Amino acid sequence: RKEVEQDPGPFNVPEGATVAFNCTYSNSASQSFFWYRQDCRKEPKLLMSVYSSGNEDGRFTAQLNRASQYISLLIRDSKLSDSATYLCVVNQGGKLIFGQGTELSVKP
Amino acid sequence: DADVTQTPRNRITKTGKRIMLECSQTKGHDRMYWYRQDPGLGLRLIYYSFDVKDINKGEISDGYSVSRQAQAKFSLSLESAIPNQTALYFCATGSQETQYFGPGTRLLVL
Repeated sequence: RKEVEQDPGPFNVPEGATVAFNCTYSNSASQSFFWYRQDCRKEPKLLMSVYSSGNEDGRFTAQLNRASQYISLLIRDSKLSDSATYLCVVNQGGKLIFGQGTELSVKP
Repeated sequence: DADVTQTPRNRITKTGKRIMLECSQTKGHDRMYWYRQDPGLGLRLIYYSFDVKDINKGEISDGYSVSRQAQAKFSLSLESAIPNQTALYFCATGSQETQYFGPGTRLLVL
């Protein structure tokens, strides 16, 4: 079993749609959680951290359920520029463990 | 100027050759990392270093070695390259919470 697992994707959605990505992690001792964004074969960049209380950044909302070891990312009102691969990331002892990523394609 | 730079950006080499990928950062972080990315497998950690005197193996260190020459420099070597080391390689630096990645090196081993 992979340490961090994500929806396989790809997700193809029209502009304006709401899309949700899910992620599960296997190590209950994981300390912190993130979503990174990666554009076509470029470097990953931090999108947002994920907190147990849930957190929002504009159109993006992240949720963490420690009991279920589950992380989610919700994107509202999708834009063409949201097309990218979204990586679920877990911090274990100072090392980041990456999910394989979910590809999102937003179409006009 | 970029905070994390990698050289070369692209490299084609032959099986059995020794090659070195270099990484420099200007962010002043102690921690540095090397990853490889393969389609469908995500990023996998090769080696990491929490300070100049600290080197640790990651998930897939076999066939690789590293050198931490200074706080700002962390190089990755393939002693004898093989075709399944063809991948996109990323260097990163950062705190425990956030990592900043270089632009990547595309390596093709023939």
